[in-house]
Formats: sequence, structure tokens, C-alpha cells
Amino acid sequence: GESVGLHLPTLSVQEGDNSIINCAYSNSASDYFIWYKQESGKGPQFIIDIRSNMDKRQGQRVTVLLNKTVKHLSLQIAATQPGDSAVYFCAGGVPYSGAGSYQLTFGKGTKLSVIP
Amino acid sequence: GAVVSQHPSRVICKSGTSVKIECRSLDFQATTMFWYRQFPKQSLMLMATSNEGSKATYEQGVEKDKFLINHASLTLSTLTVTSAHPEDSSFYICSARDPSGKGTDTQYFGPGTRLTVL
Repeated sequence: GESVGLHLPTLSVQEGDNSIINCAYSNSASDYFIWYKQESGKGPQFIIDIRSNMDKRQGQRVTVLLNKTVKHLSLQIAATQPGDSAVYFCAGGVPYSGAGSYQLTFGKGTKLSVIP
Repeated sequence: GAVVSQHPSRVICKSGTSVKIECRSLDFQATTMFWYRQFPKQSLMLMATSNEGSKATYEQGVEKDKFLINHASLTLSTLTVTSAHPEDSSFYICSARDPSGKGTDTQYFGPGTRLTVL
């Protein structure tokens, strides 16, 4: 969820299979959610976002599902490729007043390893 | 997408010295930028929100006198780690939202700065 852990959960999938990465959030005030991909030694890279008034959003090979009732978010990656290997973080956003931005709280991340 | 840069990408310094990290939005103006730190195998933790032309807002537990933030212009925010100690060694990342991002509130992240304090 949005707590910080001492180690990252790992998900190993076979190349070509679908991946599902889950995230739980705790802040009910979050109304904007984003999935980021982070490769080693680099900054997070935007993958897909979803607003709280939606429960599903699709992008290219990725789908985000939001269940506000149980405060759960998931990222589905279709036909996973070796280049998808990275750490994936979910983030919940709370509006930052007066600036048109969101303050983000990051989940602890999941390491995705794709087996060729 | 929008581009955010950071400089330097890596820095090694001696304990007790100060280090300045720059965050620039290259193709957009950002009234607000965010500074995070990330320890190995851990998540990003928001340190402070940098506001152009005014004081930064610090998260609970972050010492404002140790982590000085200056948002001098709409494209530049700096984080200065003063009197750095080995426990300040971390990966520092900034982010900014492109206000012209066509309805999205996406924050774009810089590539990060690896600080090592000896």
C-alpha cells in the first residue's frame, strides 16, 4: 500500500504472459492515481493515470483498474516483454491547493522480472 | 511528454559540506515542483513542495534548515543539503506538473541525483 517497506515484493512472469500488479491505498482523500515505472538509477516514468470517477482506463498494452470501495488499484500489462522489467509504483494524489497540482503518496513498489 | 532535468546526476561529498541539486523544467513553466528522496529498495518519500516566489512547504519530519529549497524561477528549483552526513546519502528526485498538459495532472520526474556522503 502506501507504507514504506524494507524490501520490494517481486513478481516474475514469463515473456508474453500478462502481468497484474496490485496496490492498496489508505488515504480516502486521494482522487487521482498514477502508475509509474522506475528502472534502476532513474526517475519514475509515467505509465497511466486514472481519476476517482472512473474504474477502468486503458492505454497501450496497459490497463488500470480502480476499486474505491476497497481502496485497491491494479495495473495490468498485456504480453509482458523483457523491457517491462522494472519496479512499478502506484501513487495516490491529493489536490495541492492553489497550484493545480497534486501531492503524491507512493506505494512501496513491486519489482517485475520478465523471464525470456 | 514534458522534460525535467536534474544536475548533477551523481555527487560524492565529504561529511560536513553542502551540496546543491538543481531541478529544471526544460519545456514548460512550473509554479510548483516537488522534491522526493528514495532509499535503496524503498519507495519515494515526499520531502517538500517547492513554490515559485514563496517558501517551500516541508513534510513532517523533514528539517527545513537542513534541506534548503529555493524556487527562483518558473523553471528552476534547487535543493541544498547543508552540512551533509552519511545518513543523507540517498537518491533525490524532483518532479513538476506541466500545466499545459491537456487535462492531465501528470507529474513528470527528473532522472534523480545520487548523493553519497563520505
